[in-house]
Amino acid sequence: GQQLNQSPQSMFIQEGEDVSMNCTSSSIFNTWLWYKQEPGEGPVLLIALYKAGELTSNGRLTAQFGITRKDSFLNISASIPSDVGIYFCAGQGGSEKLVFGKGMKLTVNP
Amino acid sequence: NAGVMQNPRHLVRRRGQEARLRCSPMKGHSHVYWYRQLPEEGLKFMVYLQKENIIDESGMPKERFSAEFPKEGPSILRIQQVVRGDSAAYFCASSQIGTLDIQYFGAGTRLSVL
Repeated sequence: GQQLNQSPQSMFIQEGEDVSMNCTSSSIFNTWLWYKQEPGEGPVLLIALYKAGELTSNGRLTAQFGITRKDSFLNISASIPSDVGIYFCAGQGGSEKLVFGKGMKLTVNP
Repeated sequence: NAGVMQNPRHLVRRRGQEARLRCSPMKGHSHVYWYRQLPEEGLKFMVYLQKENIIDESGMPKERFSAEFPKEGPSILRIQQVVRGDSAAYFCASSQIGTLDIQYFGAGTRLSVL
């Protein structure tokens, strides 16, 4: 089955620093999505990517859909304390179901 | 415009009891998805439904689990004869016709089996 490898698994950074995370897949995806989940809540969509090579920004967040369609990265610039949470990548192949990575837990020290 | 509504938020059951989890999709959405999340893990797909139809149940355990999305009312995920291993957070997502890839998630139901 399809699997996503998300790295790093966790990061501890200082407020104001940038952070990058990425996902790689064993198979091709047609859509890449990045979600953020806070404790006790469901995932909230941050960015959606639909085309290979696409680079999309949403405020301080930037994400790219890899050329090979097997990877994606997310960058957060100038982090702030409210960026704390777990970030998940998700891919969608030939069906509607989403395949999720295991998540990257971000801690931001003020 | 209300988001995806799930209830209950927390559910405690003893082994052997039944658990019923409800999901009301966003207004205008007719596609519902159920995912399960174990601690420290990502979400795992269980089932995809449209009104009165199960489209993809490839992630559903073969026994004890069932899902429905009736013409009227919320989608229901039903777990019969729960076991401790069923303890997890169950998330529902919904999407709109024609934009199947944008799935919006509810806050989840956290099931604890004693």
